[in-house]
Amino acid sequence: GIQVEQSPPDLILQEGANSTLRCNFSDSVNNLQWFHQNPWGQLINLFYIPSGTKQNGRLSATTVATERYSLLYISSSQTTDSGVYFCAVEKRMDSSYKLIFGSGTRLLVRP
Amino acid sequence: DAGVIQSPRHEVTEMGQEVTLRCKPISGHDYLFWYRQTMMRGLELLIYFNNNVPIDDSGMPEDRFSAKMPNASFSTLKIQPSEPRDSAVYFCASSSILAGGNNEQFFGPGTRLTVL
Repeated sequence: GIQVEQSPPDLILQEGANSTLRCNFSDSVNNLQWFHQNPWGQLINLFYIPSGTKQNGRLSATTVATERYSLLYISSSQTTDSGVYFCAVEKRMDSSYKLIFGSGTRLLVRP
Repeated sequence: DAGVIQSPRHEVTEMGQEVTLRCKPISGHDYLFWYRQTMMRGLELLIYFNNNVPIDDSGMPEDRFSAKMPNASFSTLKIQPSEPRDSAVYFCASSSILAGGNNEQFFGPGTRLTVL
């Protein structure tokens, strides 16, 4: 099956710093989503981005489908950005719509 | 919209007891997914439904697990009998493919299950 690898596994930032999180996947995909799991455990949708670039406030994401990777940029990080960031992909084979998750990047933003 | 609703938010039970987790998807969504999150295995799909019909249950760990979707606004995941290794956070998610939907999945708050 498709493999999803995220890097780095852990990241510590000082408030105000910028960061780039990476997601590599082993096959072409129909769907790619970025999630933020906050310290209370809730999975929050950040981006639906199977290709191209999107921006939402301090966050932006780019997926280069032909090269099988996606990047999540966090600018001017805040302590509330702490948590785990997951990349998840869907490869729609045989009408399967399930998401395959990476192992996540754990981010800690220090004040 | 209220988003995906799950209940209970926390469940503590003893080994051997039956556990029922509940989910209400986003209104109008035609796909419903049950995922489980553990430290060892991360987030993994258990089962998903399309228009209330189970499509792929290959992730259900064993016969102790069962899921139903009696109507478009309600689904249950049942574990009987429960075991300590079932302790995990169980998420429900929903999405829409009909009417041009793209299967962007939206997750509920999860149910944290502890089996003693």
